[in-house]
This record gives sequence, C-alpha cells and structure tokens, in this order.
Amino acid sequence: QVRLQESGPGQVKPSETLSLSCSVSGGSISGYYWGWIRQPPGKGLEWIAYIHYSGNSDYDPSLKSRATTSVDTSKNQFSLTLYSVTAADTAVYFCARYGLDPGTYFDSWGQGTLVTVS
Amino acid sequence: QTVVTQEPSFSVSPGGTVTLTCGLSSGSASSSSYPSWYQQVPGQPPRTLIYNTNTRSSGVPDRFSGSILGIKAALTITGAQADDESDYYCMLRLSSGIYVFGSGTKVTVL
Repeated sequence: QVRLQESGPGQVKPSETLSLSCSVSGGSISGYYWGWIRQPPGKGLEWIAYIHYSGNSDYDPSLKSRATTSVDTSKNQFSLTLYSVTAADTAVYFCARYGLDPGTYFDSWGQGTLVTVS
Repeated sequence: QTVVTQEPSFSVSPGGTVTLTCGLSSGSASSSSYPSWYQQVPGQPPRTLIYNTNTRSSGVPDRFSGSILGIKAALTITGAQADDESDYYCMLRLSSGIYVFGSGTKVTVL
C-alpha cells in the first residue's frame, strides 16, 4: 500500500518562500498524477495543484502566480514551492495521489504538515 | 472564480438518512465533473468515500452512496451511525481541468 509523507519547515516568515516535499513509499511515483491540498486552521480543504510524473502540472488560479510543483522520479518524491507567503498561507498541507481510471480523485493521502507563516 | 457549494451543516438521527449536495456557482455539476467525496475527522487527513460520481472506495460501507440529483452531485448516508459524524467535502473537476473542493458539510448524528 502506498504511503505518502509530507516534509516541510514548520514555520516560514512573511514574504519568504515555502518549500514542501512529499515522499512516496510502497509504490512508484511513475504512472500517476499527484496533488497538493491545504487546509487553513478551522477551515475547509483547498485544492492547490496537480503534477504528473512526467512533469505536466496545473494550479488553482489564485495561486498560479506564486506556486511551482516538481517531481523527482529518482527520489520517488514530488515538491511544492510557494513564493511570497503571507499569513493567509498558514495551513496544514497535504499531499495525495490521484487514483486511476479515472484519474480524477484522490485515493491516498499523507498525514499533512502544518506550516505557520509568522 | 468558480465556487463549489455545500450545505454548511446537517443533523441526522441514528439510523436515519441524509443527503448532502454539491453544486457549482456557475453551471451544473454532472458526471463529467467526476464528483468525489471525502470524509474528514478533525485532526486527520481526509478519507476517500466516493469517486466518479457513485463508485465507493475500497472498504467504504454501502450505506454511503453517490449520485447526481438535478444539477448537483449528491452523497447519501442511509442508516447513519454515530461514527459518521464528520465533515464531508466534495471535489469537482472543472472543464479547464483543474479541481475545486466544496466548502464542506458538518454532519452531526444525534
């Protein structure tokens, strides 16, 4: 069974850059789409981006100018970078795997990592 | 920007039935939106319940079912149990290829 584990800084200063990684174990990153989702404290889930193992990606329009995703198949991990963060970016960040046939839903989730912008 | 709407909260009696809906601020939700549904207990990651409108994820009890009702996606819990008390989120795929989560519905079983 695939396992996903987010890793990140815990705290980032306003206007700085947030970098998160998601390590995939128990399965290959190849052949799948992967996603980033966040949840501000006490609020709902927000879809951030997807990335295919080939590198194809897309983003929520409100974050597109500040977000970048990448994939490293040699390390079986993928990453999210968010630039110029503000307090509004404080959230639990989840990584997740899209299912197959159709690849339009999340079938596996990481536990999430809290990032505080302060 | 497209908004996906859900009822803020529902209360259901044990053994009762509740239907949550998921709509689009612009247009209709349909099977082409590939609705999926997630259950989340506070402090935990979401759990996938339903995908592709009405396919239950592995291990999900058959009291959870998905459908399209009119212009909205729907999640029905039939025979609600105490441990169904959670937050429920839908996710839709937009025509542009990106995804949007609904605002979430808090279900209380009492």
